[in-house]
Amino acid sequence: TQLLEQSPQFLSIQEGENLTVYCNSSSVFSSLQWYRQEPGEGPVLLVTVVTGGEVKKLKRLTFQFGDARKDSSLHITAAQPGDTGLYLCAGDLGLGAGGTSYGKLTFGQGTILTVHP
Amino acid sequence: ETGVTQTPRHLVMGMTNKKSLKCEQHLGHNAMYWYKQSAKKPLELMFVYNFKEQTENNSVPSRFSPECPNSSHLFLHLHTLQPEDSALYLCASSYRFNNEQFFGPGTRLTVL
Repeated sequence: TQLLEQSPQFLSIQEGENLTVYCNSSSVFSSLQWYRQEPGEGPVLLVTVVTGGEVKKLKRLTFQFGDARKDSSLHITAAQPGDTGLYLCAGDLGLGAGGTSYGKLTFGQGTILTVHP
Repeated sequence: ETGVTQTPRHLVMGMTNKKSLKCEQHLGHNAMYWYKQSAKKPLELMFVYNFKEQTENNSVPSRFSPECPNSSHLFLHLHTLQPEDSALYLCASSYRFNNEQFFGPGTRLTVL
């Protein structure tokens, strides 16, 4: 059983369409991060959300952290071929005294997004 | 050079070989990480070093041996690997345990 369930696993859409990727867990996270990874490269951090209900925008990308800090979503508006890649969510359980993070991120399985011109 | 670099980018080795992966970060971070990324599986944390001290060994087989001589360099020594160890090995760093981790490009390892 995955600690972080990411869906969908695959997404193939046409340029200009909107899409949403979901990241769900039964655990509470002190923070959650979204990464994008291109073939042959390492993941690149897009955003970190830390407050329940928080919404962050990065151009056409909107990230939301659930009120209970157990889930998150990534919404892309008017997708472009340059958005193609593997999108990963990663949660920090923040265990330890005072909620100190031990730097242990738990990753979802990833969503492979393909945007066709 | 900036960011996190990894060498080699590609490595093919036999099961009896000994090789090492190298990671270097130029970000002034104090924590470094090794991850394994296999097809159809989530990123798996292998080792964590904080100020050169190993703070996490995520039940990794002893055929993988990490070394962190200073806060900027991290090695992963490999010996007698198995074909199922073939994967992309990613290095990451962060400022202490600030959980914003910055990844290198990875080493694509193939074990024959």
